[in-house]
Amino acid sequence: DTAVSQTPKYLVTQMGNDKSIKCEQNLGHDTMYWYKQDSKKFLKIMFSYNNKELIINETVPNRFSPKSPDKAHLNLHINSLELGDSAVYFCASSQMGDQPQHFGDGTRLSIL
Amino acid sequence: KNEVEQSPQNLTAQEGEFITINCSYSVGISALHWLQQHPGGGIVSLFMLSSGKKKHGRLIATINIQEKHSSLHITASHPRDSAVYICAVSTNTGNQFYFGTGTSLTVIP
Repeated sequence: DTAVSQTPKYLVTQMGNDKSIKCEQNLGHDTMYWYKQDSKKFLKIMFSYNNKELIINETVPNRFSPKSPDKAHLNLHINSLELGDSAVYFCASSQMGDQPQHFGDGTRLSIL
Repeated sequence: KNEVEQSPQNLTAQEGEFITINCSYSVGISALHWLQQHPGGGIVSLFMLSSGKKKHGRLIATINIQEKHSSLHITASHPRDSAVYICAVSTNTGNQFYFGTGTSLTVIP
């Protein structure tokens, strides 16, 4: 059973489009995260959600919006996609507080 | 300057060698994480520690809070250890998360 699953695995789309990446965890964790890994493989946190409340919001453009319908899901919506949004996006989850995180396999987003 | 610095950036070792990867940080932390990213892209959490030392199989992680430094050791390295190892810290203020740039390890048979 997959603990943290992201869909789609690959997403190729044109500049200006709106897209979503879904994330689900079946570990019963309280906190979920979204990370961006750029072409130089540098990871940066984008958001985290704890009990449906945003607790970290790094300096990401407001074109990016996390949406959590319940504590097992944290979806990432991106509006008006730009070339610089091309990256691998990872979802992760953990128990509340400083606990080890479990990562999804990543979604590779390519903007044409 | 990055809040988390790792060294070396790249490391090639012969199978069986003892390997050390270093991580230094400049912020106050609540915990430090060591992650492993395989060539296929998947990320696995190896350790999370806030003091002392942890061991899991051939992997050992240590942290010195006063010196703001952590090390990841791999004993009896094996080609399957080839991966990128990433150090990350969660801060004790503002719930921030910072990552190092990673150490790319290649273990040659």
